[in-house]
Parts: sequence; structure tokens; C-alpha cells
Amino acid sequence: KNEVEQSPQNLTAQEGEFITINCSYSVGISALHWLQQHPGGGIVSLFMLSSGKKKHGRLIATINIQEKHSSLHITASHPRDSAVYICAVRVGGSQGNLIFGKGTKLSVKP
Amino acid sequence: EPEVTQTPSHQVTQMGQEVILRCVPISNHLYFYWYRQILGQKVEFLVSFYNNEISEKSEIFDDQFSVERPDGSNFTLKIRSTKLEDSAMYFCASSEAGAGSPLHFGNGTRLTVT
Repeated sequence: KNEVEQSPQNLTAQEGEFITINCSYSVGISALHWLQQHPGGGIVSLFMLSSGKKKHGRLIATINIQEKHSSLHITASHPRDSAVYICAVRVGGSQGNLIFGKGTKLSVKP
Repeated sequence: EPEVTQTPSHQVTQMGQEVILRCVPISNHLYFYWYRQILGQKVEFLVSFYNNEISEKSEIFDDQFSVERPDGSNFTLKIRSTKLEDSAMYFCASSEAGAGSPLHFGNGTRLTVT
């Protein structure tokens, strides 16, 4: 059974700090997603990756397939980045059949 | 930017009642999904739907659940006889294609079963 572990569970940062959120999984995967869940509950897809690195604005996601590990980085963090960040993996099967981590709650203070 | 829309945002129902949660996926998307998140817990996959049939479902998606695309734009999740433990946030998502396409989520429907 694949488990998805995220660390840390909670993270408080000062505005401007560089943030790293980690995700580890236990079996081979075909894709990994990083999602952002807003305080109101809505979910936004940030990245989908199966190898290497992707960048979008201040967000960077990396994955190491051999080590079964991914990281999400936020540069120059801002209070509007405050949210729960969720890692989810696809083991096989359909695109949407994902196993989700518990999420990392990020709070960025001004 | 096109969005996935879900209605209602909050539904309260009594145990044993049937509920239908509605979703309008992005218009050119072909793959549709439902997820649920019990308060304080992880998001869980329920079902994926393509070409008017279920392509995959989880153990959670038992006989009390069903999905339908009744009219080419809506995608619905029906829970036949709700239980207290069905109380959760239900998310709909869609993607343009299968593997390799990003998922687009709706804002969710909070279902409360009393």
C-alpha cells in the first residue's frame, strides 16, 4: 500500500522567507501533484510532474524518482501564500486516481 | 479562465435521505472525478468517469454511490441513503485528457448529514 508522507505538518514563516515542503512516498508512481487548498476549502492544482523540476512564478517543484521524494519551494513568501499544501501521487490507473498526503499547513506572517 | 462549478456549496440532509451533488466541468474536458474530504482528514479519491462510464472507483465508492452525466454538461454524484459518516466536503474535478493533463477542481460541496 502506498503511503504519502508530508513534512512538516505545520509551518509558520515570516514574509519573504524561503519555504520548503517535503513529500515522500513508498512505491513507484506515474505522476505527482502539488495542490493548494485555500482556507475556504477550494483546491487549486499547482504542479503535476513525473521527473525533474518545474517552476511557476515563485513556486518551484522538484521530484527525485529514485529517492521517492518531492519538494515544493516557495521563494519570497507572502501572507497570501498561507494555505494547506497537499502532495498527491498517481500509482497507476486513471489520471485522477490519486493518493493524497495529509497536507502541510503554511502560515506566512507579515 | 474556465472553472469547474459545484452546487450547492453546502447541503444539509437527514440520515437515510438521497442527495445529488452537482458539478459542471470545464466544457472541453473529457475526464471527470469525484473526491471527498472528511473534516480534518486527507482527500480521498472516489471515482473517475470517461466516455459516459466509470473508468475507476475506490473501495469507498460502494453501491450507495452513483455518478451520471445526464445532459452533456452536468456531472452528478448521488448518494442513495446517506449516513452520518457521509458528512464531508465533496470535490469534483475534470481534466482535458487522461495522463499528462492537469486536474481542475471545483470549490466543493460541504455535505452535512444529521
